[in-house]
Amino acid sequence: AQKVTQAQTEISVVEKEDVTLDCVYETRDTTYYLFWYKQPPSGELVFLIRRNSFDEQNEISGRYSWNFQKSTSSFNFTITASQVVDSAVYFCALSEAGLGQKLVFGQGTRLTINP
Amino acid sequence: DAGVIQSPRHEVTEMGQEVTLRCKPISGHNSLFWYRQTMMRGLELLIYFNNNVPIDDSGMPEDRFSAKMPNASFSTLKIQPSEPRDSAVYFCASSLQGAGANVLTFGAGSRLTVL
Repeated sequence: AQKVTQAQTEISVVEKEDVTLDCVYETRDTTYYLFWYKQPPSGELVFLIRRNSFDEQNEISGRYSWNFQKSTSSFNFTITASQVVDSAVYFCALSEAGLGQKLVFGQGTRLTINP
Repeated sequence: DAGVIQSPRHEVTEMGQEVTLRCKPISGHNSLFWYRQTMMRGLELLIYFNNNVPIDDSGMPEDRFSAKMPNASFSTLKIQPSEPRDSAVYFCASSLQGAGANVLTFGAGSRLTVL
């Protein structure tokens, strides 16, 4: 069965600090996909990134970076030089290959960036 | 594209009343998902459709919940009779399923309050 664990319920940092959001997953499949979504205070869910299980390369997009390590079943998300606009709830999610490709979400990490 | 459109955005009703939530997926997408978000349980998948056919409804809490997708451009989630514990934000999402895992695009959500 699929499971995603985001152990950090809430994180609060001061603007310009770097912050890492942890994500640990469980799956029996060898082919799977990992995602991060952002939920700002307005409530919508915004897609950030998708990785497949065969691609362990880290990815950087501006101030955002992701570290995928199969050996520890982790897919961590780092925000560099955080800004107030980064304040949101961040969800890590897992999808196994196959019909439907439904997403199973972690519980989310509420990130607050203080000015 | 207008994105995934959900209605109503907010619904307040009394216990025992019927509630119908509506979703219009992105044109061309062939998979549709209904999720529920609560503080206690996070984001839960209720049901998903592929090519208008329900594939997995194991997340539907009980017989009071039902979902339909009569055509590729419309889906409903009905709760009858509603109970206070059904209060939550209900998200609809759609994707174009193909090889690999495809990104789910979420609607803005329908916030349901059952008094």
